[in-house]
Amino acid sequence: AQSVTQPDIHITVSEGASLELRCNYSYGATPYLFWYVQSPGQGLQLLLKYFSGDTLVQGIKGFEAEFKRSQSSFNLRKPSVHWSDAAEYFCAVGGATNKLIFGTGTLLAVQP
Amino acid sequence: EPEVTQTPSHQVTQMGQEVILRCVPISNHLYFYWYRQILGQKVEFLVSFYNNEISEKSEIFDDQFSVERPDGSNFTLKIRSTKLEDSAMYFCASSDITSGIKETQYFGPGTRLLVL
Repeated sequence: AQSVTQPDIHITVSEGASLELRCNYSYGATPYLFWYVQSPGQGLQLLLKYFSGDTLVQGIKGFEAEFKRSQSSFNLRKPSVHWSDAAEYFCAVGGATNKLIFGTGTLLAVQP
Repeated sequence: EPEVTQTPSHQVTQMGQEVILRCVPISNHLYFYWYRQILGQKVEFLVSFYNNEISEKSEIFDDQFSVERPDGSNFTLKIRSTKLEDSAMYFCASSDITSGIKETQYFGPGTRLLVL
């Protein structure tokens, strides 16, 4: 069955530090992979997506993610976190149909 | 930038009552979705809608649920007889259909439904 695991429920980083949020997926075919961010009171905003080609994808707000088929992972990274990055981050997988399957999310706190 | 809007932002209802959650998708989008997130759990797909009919639904989307596009701008989710376990955040999303899953799904801010 298709599934997404985000092992870290809550992460705290200092402003200016690097960030990596983990995402592992289970999907029988070639997955389409997404990262969304949700700020309080806001909808889910797409940060980046992977369909094919270069396994390192760039997104908005300085985020990037790397698809590693051998590890079934699609980890999100940012070299230097800003206080405004504090939010909840969701990894999702899609495929043959249009529905997205989400992970449980990682809540990011940023310390000054 | 165009966005998906949802009303109300919060709704409290009594068990057994009917609720209608409203969404205004992005105007040129053709594919519409509802997802929900029970507190502390994953965002779950409920239903997708295209060309005035349901294109896919999950096992959660039983006979108590229905969707409708009553006019050219609104997309609604109705729960006929709410249960306690329907308490959740409900997200509407829309996408431009041109290449299916590869199209970004744009999400609204959600409606928080509480069933007492």
